[in-house]
Amino acid sequence: DVKVTQSSRYLVKRTGEKVFLECVQDMDHENMFWYRQDPGLGLRLIYFSYDVKMKEKGDIPEGYSVSREKKERFSLILESASTNQTSMYLCASSLRSRRPQETQYFGPGTRLLVL
Amino acid sequence: AQSVTQLGSHVSVSEGALVLLRCNYSSSVPPYLFWYVQYPNQGLQLLLKYTSAATLVKGINGFEAEFKKSETSFHLTKPSAHMSDAAEYFCAVVVPNFNKFYFGSGTKLNVKP
Repeated sequence: DVKVTQSSRYLVKRTGEKVFLECVQDMDHENMFWYRQDPGLGLRLIYFSYDVKMKEKGDIPEGYSVSREKKERFSLILESASTNQTSMYLCASSLRSRRPQETQYFGPGTRLLVL
Repeated sequence: AQSVTQLGSHVSVSEGALVLLRCNYSSSVPPYLFWYVQYPNQGLQLLLKYTSAATLVKGINGFEAEFKKSETSFHLTKPSAHMSDAAEYFCAVVVPNFNKFYFGSGTKLNVKP
């Protein structure tokens, strides 16, 4: 079974703090993704990566950055957290690069509250 | 542009009744289509996917969906709802050559005893 783990289930941070969300997958997947999930808006893609040290912007990258130094780990960084970044953050991975029909496997999510 | 529309943010059915969750997409080329389920406080789990093989796709937990190109639809059905089906369901589309998932806004299914 594919396992995608996220470093925290719940996180509370203050406005202006730098926030790191970590995601690790254990199945040697090439692709990794970060989404945020908000009620009524579904999932929106923040960033994705097809390979180590490679990243591409999704639909809502503003205020976020990412890092992929190792194949199994994909980090989402909020450089200066703001209250409008309060959300559920979901990490996902899929097996092979640039194959859109590949199933994405999701982590349990991190619920972030920015005060 | 690609988009996914899920009609009905909340659907309520009685246990044993038919489940029908609607999904329509817009795409200039035949897409790949997915249904995911999210149980409370969990990530998303794949229910089924359509990747240009059979138009009627069977998934886990008794769910199935039919790709209808003429209607640009991929509705999810289950003949008989179970209490354990209560969850949020997301339809997603991936257009070849775009390599990104576009998710619908989700439908929360409530199952009444």
